[in-house]
Amino acid sequence: GAGVSQSPSNKVTEKGKDVELRCDPISGHTALYWYRQSLGQGLEFLIYFQGNSAPDKSGLPSDRFSAERTGGSVSTLTIQRTQQEDSAVYLCASSFDGNTEAFFGQGTRLTVV
Amino acid sequence: QKEVEQNSGPLSVPEGAIASLNCTYSDRGSQSFFWYRQYSGKSPELIMFIYSNGDKEDGRFTAQLNKASQYVSLLIRDSQPSDSATYLCAVVVSWGKLQFGAGTQVVVTP
Repeated sequence: GAGVSQSPSNKVTEKGKDVELRCDPISGHTALYWYRQSLGQGLEFLIYFQGNSAPDKSGLPSDRFSAERTGGSVSTLTIQRTQQEDSAVYLCASSFDGNTEAFFGQGTRLTVV
Repeated sequence: QKEVEQNSGPLSVPEGAIASLNCTYSDRGSQSFFWYRQYSGKSPELIMFIYSNGDKEDGRFTAQLNKASQYVSLLIRDSQPSDSATYLCAVVVSWGKLQFGAGTQVVVTP
């Protein structure tokens, strides 16, 4: 696609429910990143994929968070048993090879009520 | 020590003046450096990238990199009210992780 696409744009879920956030990177980009941004805060690194592999999962906040990438393209970030502190904007970015410019999607605003 | 550090600001700059933003990083092996601009409620937008020591100019923006000092900066010349935003420094650290600083808020006053 022309840019990084994330879905849904907005998600409201009840505490305790599971959610899946999707990221479709720029075609041909091998590197894919997930970040979380709480209101008024900076970008919190979650996970990085190079192809289908995740060399760095160090940023996942807890074992309720998981991510996968299939076919070297689309990635899904799953949050199980959501908590109110999970409310944030989840941003995805991709780059050609992990060393060049990364471009962001529009983000998914997650609200846990 | 944080991997990427920036002054949080806010940095108040008169319209027409030069805004100077600084960033330091801890991974001496880093090779790729970026500046992003983020407006409130929007995603970060890439405005500059630099890979070699020295200066790189693009319009009103100049990025400066000094790998020996582990320092990268951004200058915004002829600052405009539309430049009011948060500026994020990003560095590719080991294993390809793209790490961001906390951001510097810039406020351009008419």
